[in-house]
Order: sequence, then structure tokens, then C-alpha cells
Amino acid sequence: DADVTQTPRNRITKTGKRIMLECSQTKGHDRMYWYRQDPGLGLRLIYYSFDVKDINKGEISDGYSVSRQAQAKFSLSLESAIPNQTALYFCATSDPGAATDTQYFGPGTRLTVL
Amino acid sequence: QQQVKQSPQSLIVQKGGISIINCAYENTAFDYFPWYQQFPGKGPALLIAIRPDVSEKKEGRFTISFNKSAKQFSLHIMDSQPGDSATYFCAASIGGSNYKLTFGKGTLLTVNP
Repeated sequence: DADVTQTPRNRITKTGKRIMLECSQTKGHDRMYWYRQDPGLGLRLIYYSFDVKDINKGEISDGYSVSRQAQAKFSLSLESAIPNQTALYFCATSDPGAATDTQYFGPGTRLTVL
Repeated sequence: QQQVKQSPQSLIVQKGGISIINCAYENTAFDYFPWYQQFPGKGPALLIAIRPDVSEKKEGRFTISFNKSAKQFSLHIMDSQPGDSATYFCAASIGGSNYKLTFGKGTLLTVNP
């Protein structure tokens, strides 16, 4: 969905490096999420944010941090990347006031940690 | 602890056939059950969703069947087409809010022409 963009789309880095993945949305949604997808493991929630001042840990937050710079921007950081953080990362948004409960996903960032 | 169990992991169906993907949940507080469809290189997108006050919801060729007593729900794709080839995820959340979806592990569906 072009309304949710993620940068970079692909990134290869080395163990121990600091990495930031960025997400921007033009949907005007208050809620934003970060997931990681691994083959055979589905989508797992890393962090979520209900608004700029509200950030919450998901089920697999260890080794990650986030920053909600504005309603439209939500960044995910890996302070010291390790190989088992190699995965596909997705940002998503939702509008709690909408008639239907829907999360809108970005195109994903494929991260490889060597 | 996996709260939403999805099966099968992969499924191959012939064009025109019926594709069936099953999910089971453990937490009886779940009250919103969406299915997401993901094509290669894309993010997941909502396909269809159901709440437990109904036992079935149909949108075109896609139907969700819901069995509250068994804590199970399934996606049926009628007249499956090669364009339906994708990964399908079931999910569940609490309180009617989708702020914390719990996803199944996904099913890779291949529809052969």
C-alpha cells in the first residue's frame, strides 16, 4: 500500500552495527506497529504505538527500540544487530475510529545481518 | 505459547478447486478474527474478517466459517484461481480492537492452472 512506506526496502549489515528502519504513512492513522516475519513463524509484534506519546512493547521487543517522531513516522532501531535478527520487517497502521478494524501494512524491509 | 494455530503450512490446489485453511485459538477472550492475504514482495492485506456473533461470513469466493464452541475458524476459497496463490494468515484480537493482533504462522497456497 503506497500510503505506508518503508525505507530502506533491503539492507545488508554486519553484526554489531546499529540499524534504523523507517516507516512513514499518509493515512492519518494514530496507531502504528512494527512486525517481523520469519519463514514458518508468521508475523510477530515487536512494538506498537497508539499516538506520539504512547509506545508499547510487543511480544518480541528484546534487542529493538522505537521512536515515534510524529503521527506519520515510526522508526525501528536495532542498536547492535545480530544474525538472528535477519528477517522481513513490516510497519503497519490502523485507525481506531474506523468502521472496520483493519491494519494497513507497508511493503516491508528485508534485513540481512551477516 | 502460540495462541493461534494455523494449518496446513502449505496447500496445493488445482484451479477450480476449494482451498480450506484452518485456525484454532486458545484464548476465549478473542472476539475479532481477520484473515490477511500476502503476495510475494508485498505486505499483508486484510481479506475478510468475522466477529463471533455470526457463524459464517461470505465475500465473493471467500468464506469464513466460525465455530465458537470448538474455538476454530476456517477460510474457504471457492473456485480457486492461480491469482489466489499467496500466503494466508489468520489472526485474532481482543475487545474488537485490532491494536494487538495475534497471527497464525501462515499457509502458503499454490493454485495450479
